[in-house]
Amino acid sequence: ETGVTQTPRHLVMGMTNKKSLKCEQHLGHNAMYWYKQSAKKPLELMFVYNFKEQTENNSVPSRFSPECPNSSHLFLHLHTLQPEDSALYLCASSQVARDSSYEQYFGPGTRLTVT
Amino acid sequence: QQQVKQSPQSLIVQKGGISIINCAYENTAFDYFPWYQQFPGKGPALLIAIRPDVSEKKEGRFTISFNKSAKQFSLHIMDSQPGDSATYFCAASGGGSNYKLTFGKGTLLTVNP
Repeated sequence: ETGVTQTPRHLVMGMTNKKSLKCEQHLGHNAMYWYKQSAKKPLELMFVYNFKEQTENNSVPSRFSPECPNSSHLFLHLHTLQPEDSALYLCASSQVARDSSYEQYFGPGTRLTVT
Repeated sequence: QQQVKQSPQSLIVQKGGISIINCAYENTAFDYFPWYQQFPGKGPALLIAIRPDVSEKKEGRFTISFNKSAKQFSLHIMDSQPGDSATYFCAASGGGSNYKLTFGKGTLLTVNP
């Protein structure tokens, strides 16, 4: 496996279900991100982990719960979602240094449909 | 302060033509400006990026032009091809949040054969 992988690629879940999205990066990066991409909206940053520490939570509802057990893996736990949560969920990783910005590499995304 | 404004929202170009997408930013601390290309069903992929110490960067048919004083940057696609049809996002990062990209809303490019 190379780059950033995400599983599953497609997920249909009811509003009362609990599911998890998984992301793995094979690039040796130290930061990982979750984004939400809805139709006709810009990419919305949800969570950021630097060196496994959560450094950003952009007012995301508590029904989304991230977990970063190590620098290569990132999870997004989902429970009691709403239909408006249906979207493409993208994971990304980057190498962050103190004084520089570096490119983010994205996974293919998980297409989530909440019924 | 954190916004990146992208235009146009959609663009139709004939094969062989030049596609131009523009972005403007407000935060003068931004020091990294990437462009991403996204095909349907795929995640965004880094296309080309520029830092403010240069005014232009070219990679193949893709060129970024950067105007620091105007706080604007643009993507030019020369000799546009149907395979270039995709959504393009500009982004910016820097300052105290160098780990975070601020994205434009995207431009849907259609190149007609």
